[in-house]
Amino acid sequence: EVQLVESGGGLVQPGGSLRLSCAASGFTFSSYAMSWVRQAPGKGLEWVSAISGSGGSTYYADSVKGRFTISRDNSKNTLYLQMNSLRAEDTAVYYCAQQGPILTGYYPFGYWGQGTLVTVSS
Amino acid sequence: IQLTQSPSFLSASVGDRVTITCRASQGISSYLAWYQQKPGKAPKLLIYAASTLQSGVPSRFSGSGSGTEFTLTISSLQPEDFATYYCQQLNSYPRSFGQGTKLEIK
Repeated sequence: EVQLVESGGGLVQPGGSLRLSCAASGFTFSSYAMSWVRQAPGKGLEWVSAISGSGGSTYYADSVKGRFTISRDNSKNTLYLQMNSLRAEDTAVYYCAQQGPILTGYYPFGYWGQGTLVTVSS
Repeated sequence: IQLTQSPSFLSASVGDRVTITCRASQGISSYLAWYQQKPGKAPKLLIYAASTLQSGVPSRFSGSGSGTEFTLTISSLQPEDFATYYCQQLNSYPRSFGQGTKLEIK
C-alpha cells in the first residue's frame, strides 16, 4: 500500500525558514517523480514544485522560485521542501504527491499525503 | 496555462446528473485530470487522460474533452459525492489546477 506521510509543518515568523519532509513507503520511491502541492485556508490547490526520481531535475512555481528548494533522499525514501524567506501568503497545508516515472510525462497525481500545515505569522 | 472551471458553485440533489466544465487557456491535448476533495482531506484522483477512470472510482463519474474544453459528469449524484472538484493540466509545468467547483446539497 502506497503511503505518503508529511511532517515538519508549524508556526514560523515572516522571513523565517522551515523544512518539510514526506516519508514514502509501499512503492519504489526512486522510480517516481514527486510534487508538492499547497492549499491556503479556504482556497484552492496550488502546485508548488516537482522533482524527478533521480533528483536531477526540478520545477518550481513562480511564486516560490528562489525561495523554496525541493530535494529527495532516495536512500531514506524521503522527499523534502526547504522553505526560506517565508511570507504570510505561504500559509497553507502542504501536500506531497506521487506522479509517474517520468517528470515530464503526462502522469496524474495518483497518491497524496495527508498534508502538513505551515503558518507564517508574527 | 490557466484553467477556468464553471460553475464555481453548484447546488444539486441526490440522483441529479451534473456536469462541470474546465477550460484551458491553450490546447493541452487530453492531458487533464480531475480530483475530488472533501473537507480536511487530501484530493483524490478520479479521472486522468481526460476520460480514463481511476481504478476503484464509481462508473457514475465520467470525463470527456480534448484541446481546451473538458467536462466531468456525475450521472446520478450520491450523498458521498458532495465535495469540491478540481481539474489539473498535465501538459506542461507549472502543473496548474482550476479554481475548484464546490458541489453542495440542494
